[in-house]
Amino acid sequence: EVQLVESGGGLVQPGRSLRLSCAASGFIFKDYAMHWVRQAPGEGLEWVSTINWNGGRMDYAGSVKGRFTISRDNAKNSLYLQMNGLRTDDTALYYCAKDISKTAWFDGFDIWGQGTMVTVSS
Amino acid sequence: QSALTQSPSASGSPGQSVTISCTGTSSDVGAYNYVSWYQHHPGKAPKLMIYEVNKRPSGVPDRFSGSKSGNTASLTVSGLQAEDEADYYCSSYAGSNNLGVFGGGTKLTVL
Repeated sequence: EVQLVESGGGLVQPGRSLRLSCAASGFIFKDYAMHWVRQAPGEGLEWVSTINWNGGRMDYAGSVKGRFTISRDNAKNSLYLQMNGLRTDDTALYYCAKDISKTAWFDGFDIWGQGTMVTVSS
Repeated sequence: QSALTQSPSASGSPGQSVTISCTGTSSDVGAYNYVSWYQHHPGKAPKLMIYEVNKRPSGVPDRFSGSKSGNTASLTVSGLQAEDEADYYCSSYAGSNNLGVFGGGTKLTVL
């Protein structure tokens, strides 16, 4: 079964750090770009970050650039999001997602995890 | 990068068709054919319904179709069914400086 499972969310104080993980199974992880998308409570979806198949190219939304770092370990079929300098407006459900294409890197997100909740509050 | 513009709500009766629009700019929707649409039932993971403007992933009914004209993309749901009631989001590639952008979402109600 094709599956993505996020972990690492929780309650954290403003300014602190958190590292999210996403474990992939059921597909050839190293072949695809991967993404993080978040949804704040009562709000819509927001693209956060993307990494290409081999980790050689990353991109970030302006709201997280310089604070968040995306990475992957293809040997472990895992995606990560290191979040530093967390702010209250980073509070959201964080999803990892797989790109549908082996050739493009922002084509469509065909597999999603169930998400991990990050709450930033003092 | 500003979010793509979607109407907050749309509705239709069972069996009818409804079209949801998504307006961007010449830097995102108008520049690339990497527009995708997602169906999101609360509490569940979003589901890809359309990618590359008008392609359906395996398993998505052909009642769902996508198109684009200029800076506006559209999702049409034909033969509305009760299970189509959900939030729908569009997304577009936006170039190398700020890769992606989502719309604000449209809540589709099946009357």
